[in-house]
Amino acid sequence: NFMLTQPHSVSESPGKTVTISCTGSSGSIASNYVQWYQQRPGSAPTTVIYEDNQRPSGVPDRFSGSIDSSSNSASLTISGLKTEDEADYYCQSYDSSTVVFGGGTKLTVL
Amino acid sequence: VQLVESGGGLVQPGGSLRLSCAASGFTFSTYWMSWVRQAPGKGLQWVANIKQDGSETYYVDSVKGRFTISRDNAKNSLYLQMNSLRAEDTAVYYCARDRQLVPAAMTGYYYYGMDVWGQGTTVTVSS
Repeated sequence: NFMLTQPHSVSESPGKTVTISCTGSSGSIASNYVQWYQQRPGSAPTTVIYEDNQRPSGVPDRFSGSIDSSSNSASLTISGLKTEDEADYYCQSYDSSTVVFGGGTKLTVL
Repeated sequence: VQLVESGGGLVQPGGSLRLSCAASGFTFSTYWMSWVRQAPGKGLQWVANIKQDGSETYYVDSVKGRFTISRDNAKNSLYLQMNSLRAEDTAVYYCARDRQLVPAAMTGYYYYGMDVWGQGTTVTVSS
């Protein structure tokens, strides 16, 4: 079964840039789109990136997504970190009629 | 655009529960829909989804044969019938709208993610 692996946690200071990785277990991560969701405690997830690198309206351009086929991974980069960015982030893709989420990454902005 | 789940609660192992999701503000019948769950302190897990007309349904392996996803487009409603519940089914269950699925040769579909989520309903399986 296809799996997506994320680091359990990352931390960075306000104003800095952080990148969260999402590595596919097999095949090509580029064979389907990757989405990224932000989830704050007690709230439902919201989309920050869809179709690998597209931002929904209302999501600041500090958020960007990319795909690296050579490492079979996707990345979410957040620049100019703000304390409000502190949340859990999940990557998501699709394989063999199954929606797959990564295990999630807890971002701490300290 | 809104999704509102209901039907969660406390149920004994082996019991059943039916979750509902009421959709409003968009043309419900034109979207695939999904259920996603989150166990306490854990990550997101996709549970099932259903095509616009209900003709195709897909499930995560751990719920196959126990859960059934369905929809009533006339009532703008999505359902999840959960039978033979286990302690490991304890979670917040979210209803979510799938942006788009387009048929693809290799992976079944190209999947464009989820763009609308409900606030969730809590299911606790315990004796």
